[in-house]
Amino acid sequence: DARVTQTPRDKVTEMGQEVTMRCQPILGHNTVFWYRQTMMQGLELLAYFRNRAPLDDSGMPKDRFSAEMPDATLATLKIQPSEPRDSAVYFCASGLAGGNEQFFGPGTRLTVL
Amino acid sequence: GENVEQHPSTLSVQEGDSAVIKCTYSDSASNYFPWYKQELGKGPQLIIDIRSNVGEKKDQRIAVTLNKTAKHFSLHITETQPEDSAVYFCAASLGGAGSYQLTFGKGTKLSVIP
Repeated sequence: DARVTQTPRDKVTEMGQEVTMRCQPILGHNTVFWYRQTMMQGLELLAYFRNRAPLDDSGMPKDRFSAEMPDATLATLKIQPSEPRDSAVYFCASGLAGGNEQFFGPGTRLTVL
Repeated sequence: GENVEQHPSTLSVQEGDSAVIKCTYSDSASNYFPWYKQELGKGPQLIIDIRSNVGEKKDQRIAVTLNKTAKHFSLHITETQPEDSAVYFCAASLGGAGSYQLTFGKGTKLSVIP
């Protein structure tokens, strides 16, 4: 059963700490998306990659957020330093070249105190 | 950029009744319109999608209609069941030869009352 996996599922940290979230896309998918979900803003695109190259990260606060794909099976989203307003659920989704469907992972719930 | 409006924000129906959720989009270049269902504590799950060359698509109890001229599309759920209770999101994308970024509506919380 192919699915997107994300770790950790829950993260509680203090303001100023570094947070790293990881995503394993579905094997063979070449497009990876990072979304953030909050009650106020809904689902917002932060960044996305195709064939490991960043295509768009305009939704991401550049001063504290960074996204990378060290290899085809791992995508990371890092926040340094974290702030309380970063508290949200972060979703990774992956898609297949030639298709439009995006498949979401279970999310990482981040709480910054 | 694209803007997607979704209505209503909450919807309560009796079990067995139909539910309809409507979305409008702003970018006439968008040509891929998926619908996602999100249950509590889980990620959004793709339930049905439609492309701009099709006016309607049906999958068992769910159907989606698209009016490109008016730039709106709708999700229809018939014979609702308690397990249909969830938050539903519509989205729009450029589509094409590969996955493109999705712009989501704000969601509709559907409650099916047994």
